[in-house]
Amino acid sequence: AQTVTQSQPEMSVQEAETVTLSCTYDTSESDYYLFWYKQPPSRQMILVIRQEAYKQQNATENRFSVNFQKAAKSFSLKISDSQLGDAAMYFCAYGDGGSQGNLIFGKGTKLSVKP
Amino acid sequence: DTAVSQTPKYLVTQMGNDKSIKCEQNLGHDTMYWYKQDSKKFLKIMFSYNNKELIINETVPNRFSPKSPDKAHLNLHINSLELGDSAVYFCASSQRTGGPQPQHFGDGTRLSIL
Repeated sequence: AQTVTQSQPEMSVQEAETVTLSCTYDTSESDYYLFWYKQPPSRQMILVIRQEAYKQQNATENRFSVNFQKAAKSFSLKISDSQLGDAAMYFCAYGDGGSQGNLIFGKGTKLSVKP
Repeated sequence: DTAVSQTPKYLVTQMGNDKSIKCEQNLGHDTMYWYKQDSKKFLKIMFSYNNKELIINETVPNRFSPKSPDKAHLNLHINSLELGDSAVYFCASSQRTGGPQPQHFGDGTRLSIL
């Protein structure tokens, strides 16, 4: 069975600095997708970034980028120029390319941003 | 326009009652999901429907029964509520044809059992 591990329950970053959130996963599939979701105190689940396993190029969305290491099954999220609004729970999620489509989530990392 | 809407946002009720949570998506997606987020923020899939057909039913008590009248709606009915059912329930949708797409989530329903 696939698993997703986020080893950092909490992280803290100074405003305008860079922070990296780690995520590892375990799967025997070759076709899958990885996502980072953000959950602010409002509890909405907001998609931050996605990565297809077949793509070698790391995904980037403005200040958010990933370091996808397929062989190591690692998928870390880098937030550059951190802003106060980035404070939230961040969830790493795995989705396979098969028919089921559900996401398997890590336990989340709570990110605090200090002014 | 809200893409995935679920009602109610908050639900407070007593043990033993029966309650329903409704979910609707206007994205034209073919697959809908119910997730449960516990007090430790852990999110886990409960059910998944593709074009009104059940495709995932995780180890969830029989007291939970999803119903999908059409592919834009997936409701969750819970019988004989127990204290352990207190959680936030999220509805989500995605398009599965052409490969998995990101899931779009509703705002969640916080269920509190007294």
